[in-house]
Amino acid sequence: DTAVSQTPKYLVTQMGNDKSIKCEQNLGHDTMYWYKQDSKKFLKIMFSYNNKELIINETVPNRFSPKSPDKAHLNLHINSLELGDSAVYFCASSQAKGFTGELFFGEGSRLTVL
Amino acid sequence: SQQGEEDPQALSIQEGENATMNCSYKTSINNLQWYRQNSGRGLVHLILIRSNEREKHSGRLRVTLDTSKKSSSLLITASRAADTASYFCATGPNQAGTALIFGKGTTLSVSS
Repeated sequence: DTAVSQTPKYLVTQMGNDKSIKCEQNLGHDTMYWYKQDSKKFLKIMFSYNNKELIINETVPNRFSPKSPDKAHLNLHINSLELGDSAVYFCASSQAKGFTGELFFGEGSRLTVL
Repeated sequence: SQQGEEDPQALSIQEGENATMNCSYKTSINNLQWYRQNSGRGLVHLILIRSNEREKHSGRLRVTLDTSKKSSSLLITASRAADTASYFCATGPNQAGTALIFGKGTTLSVSS
C-alpha cells in the first residue's frame, strides 16, 4: 500500500484552465502539506493542514485553494492556471506536532501549463 | 523563505568512494533532516539529527551538526551507483506554525 498517494501523476493543460490534484495518506497522520518544486528542484512549502485546519499559508496566490475534507485527504485546486504554475507539486504528511518531524512524501504531480 | 544551502550543487564520484555534502542554514532550529530524491520520484527521509546532537549514524550514512556554525554535513561511505540522486537538507524550525524548510539540494552521481 502506498503511504502517500497523489493523483494525477502528470497534468498537461492550457493557460486559464482550472485543475485539481488529490492527495491521500493512509499513515494515520494528523498533518499534511503541499510543497512546490520548481525546475531547479527548489522545494517551497505552500500549505499545511493539521487535522483539517489550515495552519500554514505561505504567500501563495489566491488562485490556489487547498481543501481537506478529512485528515487523511488534502486536495489542491488551482484556478486560472498560469505558465509559472508549471512545476512538480508534492503532497506530504507527518505525525509529529509542531511540524518538525519526518515528512512522508507522495511521488509528485507534474503540472505543465501551455 | 529558503533556509538551507547545500554545497556542492553537484558531485560526481566513482563507486566505492565517499561522498560528502554540506548544508548551511540561517536561523535557530529544532532539528535538521536529510532527504534523498531519485529522478522523477518523491523525497525519502534519510536521517534526522536534533539540535542537541552532534553526530548520528545510520548504515552508510553519517550526519554531523554544528549549531555554532549553523552547518551540517552528510557523509555517504562506500558509495554505490544506486546512491545516485539529489540530496536535500531540511531544517525544522523552533518557531510554531512553520514547516520544514528545504535547501536547493546536491545532485550526486556515482559511476561504476
